[in-house]
Amino acid sequence: DIQMTQSPSSLSASVGDRVTITCRASQGISNYLAWYQQKPGTVPKLLIYVASTLQSGVPSRFSGRGSGTDFSLTISSLQPEDVATYYCLKYSTTPWTFGQGTKVEIK
Amino acid sequence: QAQLVESGGGVVQPGRSLRLACTGSRLTFSSYAMHWVRQAPGKGLEWVAVIWFDGSNENYADSVKGRFTIARDNSRSTVYLHLNSLRAEDTAVYYCAREIQGVLDSWGQGTLVTVSS
Repeated sequence: DIQMTQSPSSLSASVGDRVTITCRASQGISNYLAWYQQKPGTVPKLLIYVASTLQSGVPSRFSGRGSGTDFSLTISSLQPEDVATYYCLKYSTTPWTFGQGTKVEIK
Repeated sequence: QAQLVESGGGVVQPGRSLRLACTGSRLTFSSYAMHWVRQAPGKGLEWVAVIWFDGSNENYADSVKGRFTIARDNSRSTVYLHLNSLRAEDTAVYYCAREIQGVLDSWGQGTLVTVSS
């Protein structure tokens, strides 16, 4: 099975900072990669799919890139409401596999 | 906006069984593959199972294969997860989710399963 390694596991940044989270697949998955945001006590929310397509209604400060094995999620200007845990999800083949998650906090 | 509502969670003893249900509304339920994803307390998301839109195929995570069964009744817009031989490590919030071209785009609120003696 393809493994997804997400890093860092947590980060702390200031409001307005540029933040980048990475996800690496153990084998190529083309662009079958999605990103989710989960705020404390809430349901995961889809942010990005096919690696770089922004889901409707998601602020443009979120962006995704990558293909093959290396992917990233960037928040161009961190806002207080972005405090959450972020997960990548690979959906190229079964089994679907999530990354371990990255907890984002405000410094 | 699609709506998914899970039910059936609760406290169950190790080795026992439980059936979860997820009912959809505001969507053409029979057109979509449906998934179950779980999240243990304080932990990350773990994909559990998928069933094709017509019920013709299903797949499971290795951690539940042989113990859990996914099924659906499109006439009731409902997907089920049968949890057998439950273990303490199966304690989690269980979410159902709709799939569109591989992506899990709509999620229910989840139902908590606690396996404890």
